[in-house]
Amino acid sequence: AQSVAQPEDQVNVAEGNPLTVKCTYSVSGNPYLFWYVQYPNRGLQFLLKYITGDNLVKGSYGFEAEFNKSQTSFHLKKPSALVSDSALYFCAVRDHNNAGNMLTFGGGTRLMVKP
Amino acid sequence: NAGVMQNPRHLVRRRGQEARLRCSPMKGHSHVYWYRQLPEEGLKFMVYLQKENIIDESGMPKERFSAEFPKEGPSILRIQQVVRGDSAAYFCASSPWKTSSYEQYFGPGTRLTVT
Repeated sequence: AQSVAQPEDQVNVAEGNPLTVKCTYSVSGNPYLFWYVQYPNRGLQFLLKYITGDNLVKGSYGFEAEFNKSQTSFHLKKPSALVSDSALYFCAVRDHNNAGNMLTFGGGTRLMVKP
Repeated sequence: NAGVMQNPRHLVRRRGQEARLRCSPMKGHSHVYWYRQLPEEGLKFMVYLQKENIIDESGMPKERFSAEFPKEGPSILRIQQVVRGDSAAYFCASSPWKTSSYEQYFGPGTRLTVT
């Protein structure tokens, strides 16, 4: 079975400050990890993914995430937050051995960036 | 290249009626996934289909729900005899036939309200 935990329902940060949105996962095999962002009444937009290779992954809109195998984490980061980054962020995992191809999502973290 | 298309965007049904949700994947994509999002929750996998085949329906409720992805036309998620608990946002995602990238591309969703 595969699972994802996003321990924070909401993260508040001031514009210009660095932000971190936490994600931990559990899979039986090697993980494929993803971050998506959802704006109000919209679908999910893909931000970045980790499949293999460098542990630091860079994605859209200046976001990056660090894969840490020993801590089974994949935290999303950005050096300088923008008000427009305010949205709902979802971490997702797929087990490499999961032939069904489905993604398992965390419960989401609402990011609030204040001017 | 148009993204994943879903219609209708909003659907209101009375209890006991049928709901039909449509999804047209991105051009060139032959894998379709349906997810359900309850208010303030993450997305939950429902079903994974390829053309004319259901690959994984482990997330589908045993009764009243069905899905298809015919050779021609969109994928359909059908909910018979809807109940209030079916009120949710239903998202469709697609991915390419041959890919090493594994991300799924999401549509804007259909928001179902059962009155």
